Amino acid sequence: KAGVTQTPRYLIKTRGQQVTLSCSPISGHRSVSWYQQTPGQGLQFLFEYFSETQRNKGNFPGRFSGRQFSNSRSEMNVSTLELGDSALYLCASCILSGGHTYNEQFFGPGTRLTVL
Amino acid sequence: AQTVTQSQPEMSVQEAETVTLSCTYDTSENNYYLFWYKQPPSRQMILVIRQEAYKQQNATENRFSVNFQKAAKSFSLKISDSQLGDTAMYFCAFIAGNTPLVFGKGTRLSVIA
Repeated sequence: KAGVTQTPRYLIKTRGQQVTLSCSPISGHRSVSWYQQTPGQGLQFLFEYFSETQRNKGNFPGRFSGRQFSNSRSEMNVSTLELGDSALYLCASCILSGGHTYNEQFFGPGTRLTVL
Repeated sequence: AQTVTQSQPEMSVQEAETVTLSCTYDTSENNYYLFWYKQPPSRQMILVIRQEAYKQQNATENRFSVNFQKAAKSFSLKISDSQLGDTAMYFCAFIAGNTPLVFGKGTRLSVIA
């Protein structure tokens, strides 16, 4: 079974631009979560989607948004990029059976975003 | 709000030796799960071990074991017979109810030959 895939793996943008990152979960997984990883802040939760609905949202500005499609693939968008948005963006999927997320989350390799 | 603290930013250990990584957490929840994740230099995060709070028995996965002290809100990871492939960032994480995973800042472990 293929793992979680993220595209693109690397991205360079300039301030003010917008960017869209994609995540394809493991087949059968309906929950997708997004995290931002930086050396200073560590791993911070962005949002989680399940069955095309946002279940949880972290403490990020409205410039960060996401969505999930009927095939469970998810995208996140960052508008009006700032230098501080440079980070590794990780997505994780899990089966989410029983209505909770105690199931193992499987992480993708991440997208390295650099904002110049 | 739940918090997870890893007080050791970096550690090193000789190959074949044993090392313990510390993690403390703060929560008012009674039912929760704790995890240790490993992120090798290639960046793919993988689950090392998990512990259900309602289980008194410490979890073990081959060379990896935890010391879960619920009253002290402590959850340390012991790696026995350390191998070069254990070199990675290790993150302690917590989850309760429908809240998202909360991660510690991580411990960078270097295994030295």
